[in-house]
Amino acid sequence: DTAVSQTPKYLVTQMGNDKSIKCEQNLGHDTMYWYKQDSKKFLKIMFSYNNKELIINETVPNRFSPKSPDKAHLNLHINSLELGDSAVYFCASSQDLGVTGELFFGEGSRLTVL
Amino acid sequence: AQRVTQPEKLLSVFKGAPVELKCNYSYSGSPELFWYVQYSRQRLQLLLRHISRESIKGFTADLNKGETSFHLKKPFAQEEDSAMYYCALSGTSGSRLTFGEGTQLTVNP
Repeated sequence: DTAVSQTPKYLVTQMGNDKSIKCEQNLGHDTMYWYKQDSKKFLKIMFSYNNKELIINETVPNRFSPKSPDKAHLNLHINSLELGDSAVYFCASSQDLGVTGELFFGEGSRLTVL
Repeated sequence: AQRVTQPEKLLSVFKGAPVELKCNYSYSGSPELFWYVQYSRQRLQLLLRHISRESIKGFTADLNKGETSFHLKKPFAQEEDSAMYYCALSGTSGSRLTFGEGTQLTVNP
């Protein structure tokens, strides 16, 4: 009964392809996030959704498009993949928008673009 | 704007030695500070938050508003403490958690 689950865990693909990473949380949380962890382990927020509504959209290329079909799911679709997109992508959720509580993270999805 | 700085990317100590992981922040309002930890092959998880004033796994962290710091300390490091540690800040308006660059702690036997 994993709280935040992401699929796939590993993804290797060619430049120019389109790929998706799925995320689901069974905690009943209202807010979900995508973070990117680069090769230097730096964690940076990309998007956050609250009850399916986009709240944060950092300076992320529009090749990245999050989709939240319901508040338990936040998927990340990436078009025209580039070498620099190689990273570990973490999904997370929190009880509400205030982030005064705890963020629960998925295990991460390691994307390698060749 | 909110910013978190962890000046040490790598920190290595011997088992039983004291350890301090530094964290400084920049935020104009009243921040909430957290420490997250990522053990090898595990997901990132909350270690402690300043508002709780708790000690978890022997770690403590005190918010020093004068020095804008939230250093993580443990008097006697253990090998199982080896992990990546992230300091994080949430502003009063909420909605985002900003992470520092992380410090990789290695505790040697």
